[in-house]
Amino acid sequence: GAGVSQTPSNKVTEKGKYVELRCDPISGHTALYWYRQSLGQGPEFLIYFQGTGAADDSGLPNDRFFAVRPEGSVSTLKIQRTERGDSAVYLCASSRRDDYEQYFGPGTRLTVT
Amino acid sequence: AQTVTQSQPEMSVQEAETVTLSCTYDTSESDYYLFWYKQPPSRQMILVIRQEAYKQQNATENRFSVNFQKAAKSFSLKISDSQLGDAAMYFCAYSSNYGGSQGNLIFGKGTKLSVKP
Repeated sequence: GAGVSQTPSNKVTEKGKYVELRCDPISGHTALYWYRQSLGQGPEFLIYFQGTGAADDSGLPNDRFFAVRPEGSVSTLKIQRTERGDSAVYLCASSRRDDYEQYFGPGTRLTVT
Repeated sequence: AQTVTQSQPEMSVQEAETVTLSCTYDTSESDYYLFWYKQPPSRQMILVIRQEAYKQQNATENRFSVNFQKAAKSFSLKISDSQLGDAAMYFCAYSSNYGGSQGNLIFGKGTKLSVKP
């Protein structure tokens, strides 16, 4: 595709449930980033992949959050035992290894009821 | 830890006029990048302009330019000839150029820009 895509665009789940958010980066981009944007705030870094491995996961808030990128392309952000405080827009971005410009997807709005 | 501060939650400008959005940051690093991103209601973040810290010359992109003051740790965005389509949230962001932190963006809280016709 031409840009970064994220699915679903909106997700409503009940407290305690498990959710998966998907990101399809731009073809050929080796770096992939996840951010979380709460209402009225700027995005906060969660995790960064270079290829298949997580180069930096220091932004994951706790062990309920996990992300994978098994083939170095599509990534899935997984949240276990969701809490109301997890409600936010989850943004994905990708970039070429040698360029710091990050291209963002439209985000997934997660609402935990 | 690095921080980015945007002290103007909201700004307003008349169409065709010029507006300046402020950003300050705190870091002990000497090699880094600074960015301005635009986020319209569609949520998609769009890169407006980028500045490498080692470059003294201020970056420009058409109607957008920055005033980068490294010693003061200030990075303001000037939008000239404002257009209705410029209305959006604008985020200032910092990225380290060291080790495993390369590319991780640290964002400010944003400034909501309104453009009056």
